[in-house]
Amino acid sequence: GESVGLHLPTLSVQEGDNSIINCAYSNSASDYFIWYKQESGKGPQFIIDIRSNMDKRQGQRVTVLLNKTVKHLSLQIAATQPGDSAVYFCAELSYNQGGKLIFGQGTELSVKP
Amino acid sequence: DAGVTQSPTHLIKTRGQQVTLRCSPKSGHDTVSWYQQALGQGPQFIFQYYEEEERQRGNFPDRFSGHQFPNYSSELNVNALLLGDSALYLCASRTRRSNQPQHFGDGTRLSIL
Repeated sequence: GESVGLHLPTLSVQEGDNSIINCAYSNSASDYFIWYKQESGKGPQFIIDIRSNMDKRQGQRVTVLLNKTVKHLSLQIAATQPGDSAVYFCAELSYNQGGKLIFGQGTELSVKP
Repeated sequence: DAGVTQSPTHLIKTRGQQVTLRCSPKSGHDTVSWYQQALGQGPQFIFQYYEEEERQRGNFPDRFSGHQFPNYSSELNVNALLLGDSALYLCASRTRRSNQPQHFGDGTRLSIL
């Protein structure tokens, strides 16, 4: 079936370093991709999104890269801060399948001071 | 402007019982989706409601049912609870005609004894 997976279940970085979280997706027909951040005891929080007709999108300290050739998505966090510590999920959506988001397992990011 | 609100925050039930979880969407949103998130996993889509009807359903048994009210709020009902139903249940909302991402509540933590 359809699935979105992550290469690394855990990532530990030093405060101030850049972080890169990767994601592989299997549905080449997906139109839209989202990165969510989930802190302990909270629901997923939107970080950044990208549509399938783009290959890069930048936000504040975050950048998402989409490589449709190899069905790969990445989230880059610049100057990682302790407040960035959380579990990060990528999710995909196909517009012809309505609003159903397909999530990956998640990567836990731990930022060392 | 209140975001997505869910109640209760925590719930403990025993096997065989029934449970009802509630969700109020973000102001202005008309579409509600429910997700189940097992510990250490990404959220799994249960179903989506729009205009008081179930529009899309994931791979969940009929024990999982829902309802949407005229004010767009929604309920998730689970009958004949099993130990495996223990999870965080998340509600997400969006405006159907918008391509904006779904907003999530902080979920209801359901524990089955």
